[in-house]
Amino acid sequence: GESVGLHLPTLSVQEGDNSIINCAYSNSASDYFIWYKQESGKGPQFIIDIRSNMDKRQGQRVTVLLNKTVKHLSLQIAATQPGDSAVYFCAENIGSSASKIIFGSGTRLSIRP
Amino acid sequence: SQTIHQWPATLVQPVGSPLSLECTVEGTSNPNLYWYRQAAGRGLQLLFYSVGIGQISSEVPQNLSASRPQDRQFILSSKKLLLSDSGFYLCAWSVFGRNSPLHFGNGTRLTVT
Repeated sequence: GESVGLHLPTLSVQEGDNSIINCAYSNSASDYFIWYKQESGKGPQFIIDIRSNMDKRQGQRVTVLLNKTVKHLSLQIAATQPGDSAVYFCAENIGSSASKIIFGSGTRLSIRP
Repeated sequence: SQTIHQWPATLVQPVGSPLSLECTVEGTSNPNLYWYRQAAGRGLQLLFYSVGIGQISSEVPQNLSASRPQDRQFILSSKKLLLSDSGFYLCAWSVFGRNSPLHFGNGTRLTVT
């Protein structure tokens, strides 16, 4: 079936720098995308979402960019903090009549002091 | 506000034993409900989702089943567990319809011995 993939399994960033986590999706019909943060032993936590009629959306310290031409999604975290250490997942809705959300394998973000 | 409850938090079961994991949502009506499984260090695999009472969509053929006896209750079951059923099971809900984010419970860590 369709799947959401990630370019890098791990990312190490200096504290205070910006982090960029990338994701490639394969279902060109997907029209809704979500980024989640998962800390060890916990359920994923919603960060930000974007619909396919947009190419950029900003939240608090986070920005999601969507490039439908190359089926690429990215999450930018500004001024990365130790609390940002986690695994980040992108997800897409491949359902036509309901939210059928599938996830990528995740990127582990580690912060260097 | 909406809350999601999932229990138990951890479970150790012998091979061949039955399984019942329960998930309930409060503060919303007619939600979409989901069961995911996460292997260690991996992404989330969609197992089942439901758009209404008694309506279950199965994504992966396996010895697990799901039921939705009430609007805000979602149950994951197995008659006989396999070693390969070990993992982190996550329940989630979303607003009915399409293109809304999932909200996850804290998961159940299942170890089949």
